[in-house]
Amino acid sequence: GQNIDQPTEMTATEGAIVQINCTYQTSGFNGLFWYQQHAGEAPTFLSYNVLDGLEEKGRFSSFLSRSTGYSYLLLKELQMKDSASYLCAVMDSNYQLIWGAGTKLIIKP
Amino acid sequence: GAVVSQHPSWVICKSGTSVKIECRSLDFQATTMFWYRQFPKQSLMLMATSNEGSKATYEQGVEKDKFLINHASLTLSTLTVTSAHPEDSSFYICSARGLAGDSYEQYFGPGTRLTVT
Repeated sequence: GQNIDQPTEMTATEGAIVQINCTYQTSGFNGLFWYQQHAGEAPTFLSYNVLDGLEEKGRFSSFLSRSTGYSYLLLKELQMKDSASYLCAVMDSNYQLIWGAGTKLIIKP
Repeated sequence: GAVVSQHPSWVICKSGTSVKIECRSLDFQATTMFWYRQFPKQSLMLMATSNEGSKATYEQGVEKDKFLINHASLTLSTLTVTSAHPEDSSFYICSARGLAGDSYEQYFGPGTRLTVT
């Protein structure tokens, strides 16, 4: 079967760094996405990785290791507005997105 | 960037009535649109995938006669919840993907919150 695993909830302090992990087992792989979703809102795109390595985009970076089925989203210089759910999604061989359950990130002052 | 709109943003309806939700890609042509449902504190659940001009493909457990999807043009898809019941109350989100050759990124609409009383 297809499976995406990520922690349910994480807590971090404003100004700090947090890493949200995602492991996956899917039928085929056509890329991994990270989305941010604030409560009551639709997801917004953060990153897309299809090759191994680290992609940096401002305060956010995303890493992918296809051989181990592993990705992480790294958030630096945390701000209160970063409090949200972070969704990991893998595009399978049929180009369908398989979604993780999301990680709720709580930022404390 | 690509923009997807949904209308209405929220709707309250009585049990037994039908509700139509529109999803539009405003500045690109969407060959494929996706409809998701999200219950509180849960992840997105894909309901169906629709390609322009063809019948939607529904996920297992989603009643196609209850959730009618029409994707008549490259910029518009509609989801009609027929004979709505309180258990259909949820956050419905559409997303759109561009023509072949574009990024496979899905662009999400802002969502529609449906409350059935």
